[in-house]
Amino acid sequence: DSGVTQTPKHLITATGQRVTLRCSPRSGDLSVYWYQQSLDQGLQFLIQYYNGEERAKGNILERFSAQQFPDLHSELNLSSLELGDSALYFCASSPTHMPLGDTQYFGPGTRLTVL
Amino acid sequence: AQKVTQAQTEISVVEKEDVTLDCVYETRDTTYYLFWYKQPPSGELVFLIRRNSFDEQNEISGRYSWNFQKSTSSFNFTITASQVVDSAVYFCALGNGTASKLTFGTGTRLQVTL
Repeated sequence: DSGVTQTPKHLITATGQRVTLRCSPRSGDLSVYWYQQSLDQGLQFLIQYYNGEERAKGNILERFSAQQFPDLHSELNLSSLELGDSALYFCASSPTHMPLGDTQYFGPGTRLTVL
Repeated sequence: AQKVTQAQTEISVVEKEDVTLDCVYETRDTTYYLFWYKQPPSGELVFLIRRNSFDEQNEISGRYSWNFQKSTSSFNFTITASQVVDSAVYFCALGNGTASKLTFGTGTRLQVTL
C-alpha cells in the first residue's frame, strides 16, 4: 500500500458526461501528479500540483482540469467525455515539488469506462 | 526530448529461471533519475527502485538487481530465480531536467509459469 488513495475505483459513464476523480496523497506529501494509462498512449503525464498551485502540465486535454485543495487532496475533472477517454487514471504523490530525486508513489488508479 | 525504450514487449519464463528486462533511455540532461515500477494484474503501480545519474553503482535487493550503465544509456533489471508472483508488467521511467513528469517506457509484460 503506497499510502495514496483514489476514489472511485471504477467509473462507468456515457459520452458527453462529466466525472470527477479524487486523490488523497500520502501523509506529508505536497505534490500530486495525474497520469493517464491507455492502451494506445501508454502512461502519460497529465498535470502536477504542488501545495495548491499548478506546477507542470503535460498532455492534458482542454476538456480536463484539476485542482488541489488546502487539505492537499486533488480532483481531476473530465468533461464532455469521449470513448477515447476510457483509461486508467493514476494519481501519484511526492514530498516536494522538486523534480529531481523525488520518488512518485502511485495510488491504485481509477478505471474509467465511457460507453 | 526524453525517451525510454523497453524493446521487450512480453517475456515468458518458467519459475526459477533468471530474467533480465531491458531499458534504454535518451536524455540531454546530465542530471536525471531512473525508476522501475511494477504493475501486477491488480493494476496498481508499485515503486521498485530509483537511481540517479551520478551513481552508477549497481544495486541488489533480494532477488532483484539493477545494472545502470551510462555508457550505453541502459538501466536493466534482473530477477533471479523468478517466481509466479513476479508476473506483472514492469515499467522503466525517466525523470529529469526541470520537468516534474516521469516519462515511461511502454512496459514489459513478464509471465512466469510453473
